[in-house]
Amino acid sequence: GQSLEQPSEVTAVEGAIVQINCTYQTSGFYGLSWYQQHDGGAPTFLSYNALDGLEETGRFSSFLSRSDSYGYLLLQELQMKDSASYFCAVRDRGTGFQKLVFGTGTRLLVSP
Amino acid sequence: DAEITQSPRHKITETGRQVTLACHQTWNHNNMFWYRQDLGHGLRLIHYSYGVQDTNKGEVSDGYSVSRSNTEDLPLTLESAASSQTSVYFCASSVGLAGATSGQYFGPGTRLTVL
Repeated sequence: GQSLEQPSEVTAVEGAIVQINCTYQTSGFYGLSWYQQHDGGAPTFLSYNALDGLEETGRFSSFLSRSDSYGYLLLQELQMKDSASYFCAVRDRGTGFQKLVFGTGTRLLVSP
Repeated sequence: DAEITQSPRHKITETGRQVTLACHQTWNHNNMFWYRQDLGHGLRLIHYSYGVQDTNKGEVSDGYSVSRSNTEDLPLTLESAASSQTSVYFCASSVGLAGATSGQYFGPGTRLTVL
């Protein structure tokens, strides 16, 4: 089976840096994705890591350590609009078809 | 512009009724997915399709069915709606298998209430 763990909630202030962690257990790991979802909205794709290391996209970076079954999303220069839920998702071989398995999400609250 | 749409956006139905949720994408993606989202559970995969005439069960498929007769549409049917199926339903599509490298594109969601 598959399981992912991420904190349920993180709080931070505008301009700060926040890290959202994700640990996973899967039967056939290919890579780790991150999605953002604002309240009442649809999830939107942020990043994907297949190899160890840090991937940077503007203010957001994503890190993966395959040996530790661990990744994180790093958000810098936080803005109020970053208040949202963030989901990690693993690409898993499963029963022979590749699919995404999502974590339960981390709610980020950014205060002034 | 290409998009993915869902209809209806809100639906209230009664226990035992058959309900069909529509999903239509103009990205020309081969891969389409249906998820349900409930508080505390994140997004859970119901069914998915990697092309026309291809359908596969996800982790929470009981009570749901899908059919794929063309590239653009993947309707989700609740055969006999139950209160446990009250949820927000998201359709998604992707280019690559599982939408990993370029992501899955999600529709706006359908909020379904079963009374």
